[in-house]
Amino acid sequence: GQSLEQPSEVTAVEGAIVQINCTYQTSGFYGLSWYQQHDGGAPTFLSYNALDGLEETGRFSSFLSRSDSYGYLLLQELQMKDSASYFCAVAKAAGNKLTFGGGTRVLVKP
Amino acid sequence: DVKVTQSSRYLVKRTGEKVFLECVQDMDHENMFWYRQDPGLGLRLIYFSYDVKMKEKGDIPEGYSVSREKKERFSLILESASTNQTSMYLCASSFPRAEAFFGQGTRLTVV
Repeated sequence: GQSLEQPSEVTAVEGAIVQINCTYQTSGFYGLSWYQQHDGGAPTFLSYNALDGLEETGRFSSFLSRSDSYGYLLLQELQMKDSASYFCAVAKAAGNKLTFGGGTRVLVKP
Repeated sequence: DVKVTQSSRYLVKRTGEKVFLECVQDMDHENMFWYRQDPGLGLRLIYFSYDVKMKEKGDIPEGYSVSREKKERFSLILESASTNQTSMYLCASSFPRAEAFFGQGTRLTVV
């Protein structure tokens, strides 16, 4: 079987930093992705880590440790528009199968 | 821009009906996916397809089937709709090991 664990909810104030952790148990792991979904909207891609280390894209960074089966998404300089759900997803089976975690709801307060 | 189009935003069907949810993508992606999204459960994979006529079960395939006769189109079929299949259904497509693009979703209510 496979599973992805991430916190269900995080609350922070504007300008703060939030880290969303994701641990996974799966066979045939190819990479870890992160997606953002605003209420009523479709999930949109944020980042993908296939190798260990940190990937930075503007205010968002993503980290992967394959040996620890662990990754995180770091949201810096939080803005109100960052209030959304964030999902980690594992790519497996030659990169074809994409399985999502339960999602973390981030609430940004003024 | 990549476009993934789902045929309906909202759908109401009766218990026992056969239901077809259609998804079309315009980027020549090999992979296509069907997920259902329920509060607190995230996105759960129903089926995915990595080529025409090729499909694999996801984590919750029971009560569903799929069809991929053309590369751009992936259909989800509920053979006999039940109330526990009331949910938001999301279609996505991607190249292998690349970002997935999602449609806007179909909110299905089975009464």
